[in-house]
Amino acid sequence: GAGVSQTPSNKVTEKGKYVELRCDPISGHTALYWYRQSLGQGPEFLIYFQGTGAADDSGLPNDRFFAVRPEGSVSTLKIQRTERGDSAVYLCASSLTGPELWNGYTFGSGTRLTVV
Amino acid sequence: AQSVAQPEDQVNVAEGNPLTVKCTYSVSGNPYLFWYVQYPNRGLQFLLKYITGDNLVKGSYGFEAEFNKSQTSFHLKKPSALVSDSALYFCAVSDASGGSYIPTFGRGTSLIVHP
Repeated sequence: GAGVSQTPSNKVTEKGKYVELRCDPISGHTALYWYRQSLGQGPEFLIYFQGTGAADDSGLPNDRFFAVRPEGSVSTLKIQRTERGDSAVYLCASSLTGPELWNGYTFGSGTRLTVV
Repeated sequence: AQSVAQPEDQVNVAEGNPLTVKCTYSVSGNPYLFWYVQYPNRGLQFLLKYITGDNLVKGSYGFEAEFNKSQTSFHLKKPSALVSDSALYFCAVSDASGGSYIPTFGRGTSLIVHP
């Protein structure tokens, strides 16, 4: 597609529920990144995929968070047993190659997750 | 570990005046440095980057930034501000010396340009 698409744009869920957030990167981009942006903060790195594999998942806060990219294109961020502290905007970005050959991230508009 | 500091939560400037948004960084190796802009309900948009070469980097929309290694700074500048420049600006750094290369972002600075 022309840009990075994230769905849904907004998600309200109850504490304890499971949620899935979807990211559709730019076609042909091998690298995909998930960030989380809390109110008044900058984006915080969660996980980076190169193709189908997670090249760096050091930013995932705990084992309630998991992400997949089974075919090397669309990625899904999964959050189990959501907590109110998970409320944030979840950003996805993609790039043509990995970050060591930096040639620009394109960010999506994000999914605003609210846990009530 | 790498980190970025944006010491100002908000910068106010009159239209037509020069603007500066400050950024300092910390990395153990050589830095890659970036500036992004975020408009309301929009994704982050890339403005400019420093990878290597000239310390003065020119980017989109008339913005520029100067890499100062001795002061570990990468301040964003524009000679003449526009009202439409009002947005949230993020500085980011990554470690280009065998690190993960994944950028770490600052907290952001809200730029308000008054007519």
